[in-house]
Amino acid sequence: AQSVAQPEDQVNVAEGNPLTVKCTYSVSGNPYLFWYVQYPNRGLQFLLKYITGDNLVKGSYGFEAEFNKSQTSFHLKKPSALVSDSALYFCAVREAENFNKFYFGSGTKLNVKP
Amino acid sequence: NAGVTQTPKFQVLKTGQSMTLQCAQDMNHEYMSWYRQDPGMGLRLIHYSVGAGITDQGEVPNGYNVSRSTTEDFPLRLLSAAPSQTSVYFCASEQGSSAFFGQGTRLTVV
Repeated sequence: AQSVAQPEDQVNVAEGNPLTVKCTYSVSGNPYLFWYVQYPNRGLQFLLKYITGDNLVKGSYGFEAEFNKSQTSFHLKKPSALVSDSALYFCAVREAENFNKFYFGSGTKLNVKP
Repeated sequence: NAGVTQTPKFQVLKTGQSMTLQCAQDMNHEYMSWYRQDPGMGLRLIHYSVGAGITDQGEVPNGYNVSRSTTEDFPLRLLSAAPSQTSVYFCASEQGSSAFFGQGTRLTVV
């Protein structure tokens, strides 16, 4: 069965430090992988995606993610966190062969402290 | 260009009442979908549509109906609301492989 796991409900990091939000996935076909961010009382905003090609994907607001096929992971990273990065982050996957289904992780709350 | 517009933003229903959540997009996208967001469960796909006149079920379709008479609109209907349908509902519209989400409808069923 297709699934996405975000093992950390919450990640705390100090401003200026690097951050990582973890995501692992399970799909039967080739994965399309995504990260979205949700600010309070708002919809989801697209950050970045991996379709094919370079395993390191760069996205909005200085975020990047690395696709690791052997570990079935797609961790979100940023070299230097900002307080304004504090939000709820969702990893999502869909299969290239079954495009209609979009599976989301349960979300990770990122807290960046000044 | 408004993107994806959902109405209402908030709604309280009594058990057994019916209502329609509206979703409209002005980007001429063929693919639209509805999700519900519950604490600790991420977003779960309710129904989706790959074009006008075509709809299909997602992960959690029970208790919900949809129709797609135009490319722009994709309403979600609750025929007989239940407390288990208390949630935040998001509509999404897609072009290519990425989705654009509305701001959500917070529904409470009492």
